[in-house]
Amino acid sequence: AQSVTQPDIHITVSEGASLELRCNYSYGATPYLFWYVQSPGQGLQLLLKYFSGDTLVQGIKGFEAEFKRSQSSFNLRKPSVHWSDAAEYFCARGFGNEKLTFGTGTRLTIIP
Amino acid sequence: KAGVTQTPRYLIKTRGQQVTLSCSPISGHRSVSWYQQTPGQGLQFLFEYFSETQRNKGNFPGRFSGRQFSNSRSEMNVSTLELGDSALYLCASSLDRGASGYTFGSGTRLTVV
Repeated sequence: AQSVTQPDIHITVSEGASLELRCNYSYGATPYLFWYVQSPGQGLQLLLKYFSGDTLVQGIKGFEAEFKRSQSSFNLRKPSVHWSDAAEYFCARGFGNEKLTFGTGTRLTIIP
Repeated sequence: KAGVTQTPRYLIKTRGQQVTLSCSPISGHRSVSWYQQTPGQGLQFLFEYFSETQRNKGNFPGRFSGRQFSNSRSEMNVSTLELGDSALYLCASSLDRGASGYTFGSGTRLTVV
């Protein structure tokens, strides 16, 4: 079965520091890849998506992600985090008409 | 344009009852997917509808069912509720079966007591 792995359950970062959240997907033809963010009690908001082409994808709120086929990875980055970035982040994979498969999420805590 | 609308936002039901949740997708979107989110199991796919037809189904018991109407609005129904059905139920709509990404609603928080 196709899968998505987010190895970090919880990450704590100081405000203003850089951030990288890891995501690996199971090997296969290049899938569609997404990063979503969820604030407590809310739905998921799409940060960015990758389908093909340029492997560095820019998203909303200053986030970017890089697709690396050789590593089956799609890590999310932000150069300087803000307190409002505290939330849970989900990486997801889709392919063709398959359902969207989510990772288990990474909870991000920001300390002043 | 309006986003994905899920109603109700919160729901409390008693074990054994049934419940119906509603999802109105973004105008023009024909694909609607449903997910169950719990702290222990994370985000689990329930089913997907496209043009009124169920196209994909997750590994949930038959107590979980859904349908999609001609205007793309979707409903999901859970019969004979169990305590373990307590969860956030999320609906997502897509323009063309996922290639353009999915837009999620705010969810319905179901509590079974």
